[in-house]
Amino acid sequence: AQSVTQPDIHITVSEGASLELRCNYSYGATPYLFWYVQSPGQGLQLLLKYFSGDTLVQGIKGFEAEFKRSQSSFNLRKPSVHWSDAAEYFCAVGAPNSGGYQKVTFGTGTKLQVIP
Amino acid sequence: NAGVTQTPKFQVLKTGQSMTLQCAQDMNHEYMSWYRQDPGMGLRLIHYSVGAGITDQGEVPNGYNVSRSTTEDFPLRLLSAAPSQTSVYFCASSYSARGSYNEQFFGPGTRLTVL
Repeated sequence: AQSVTQPDIHITVSEGASLELRCNYSYGATPYLFWYVQSPGQGLQLLLKYFSGDTLVQGIKGFEAEFKRSQSSFNLRKPSVHWSDAAEYFCAVGAPNSGGYQKVTFGTGTKLQVIP
Repeated sequence: NAGVTQTPKFQVLKTGQSMTLQCAQDMNHEYMSWYRQDPGMGLRLIHYSVGAGITDQGEVPNGYNVSRSTTEDFPLRLLSAAPSQTSVYFCASSYSARGSYNEQFFGPGTRLTVL
């Protein structure tokens, strides 16, 4: 069974500073990896996803993530944070179950606070 | 497209009451799912469906029932509400549950309180 760990519950960064949110996964093969963002009171929105190929993935809103197989990591980065990026971020891992259907497991989330 | 819609947005129940959370999508998606979100626990899968007439249990199915009579609708039924079911519930859908098409689209959520 797959699992995903987001070690940082809460992160505070200054507006304009760079950001890195950590995500580590556990799965025997190469999984499907996702980052979602949840603004207060809203549902989740996909930022980016990795299935195969180039290990550096570009997403929406200027975010990117890098898949590192050797470290079982899929960290999310942004070079310059904007106040509107304040939200909760979820890493997720997808892998097929015995029926061939994708099972997606979410991390516990990292809440990002942006200060002026 | 309205995407994924959920009703109601808020609900307060008393212990033992039953109710149905509604979820609908207009994207002709094959896969639909229900999650609950609790502080510090992320999203946990309750039930999912890979097509009309096909449902299966997720990680935390106890106390919940689902059915999928149409592609569009996937209601979640609480049989006898308990305080432990106080949570925010999200419905999600994706084009397919196989391969690379499983980006999920989420509804706005239903905040449920059980007294």
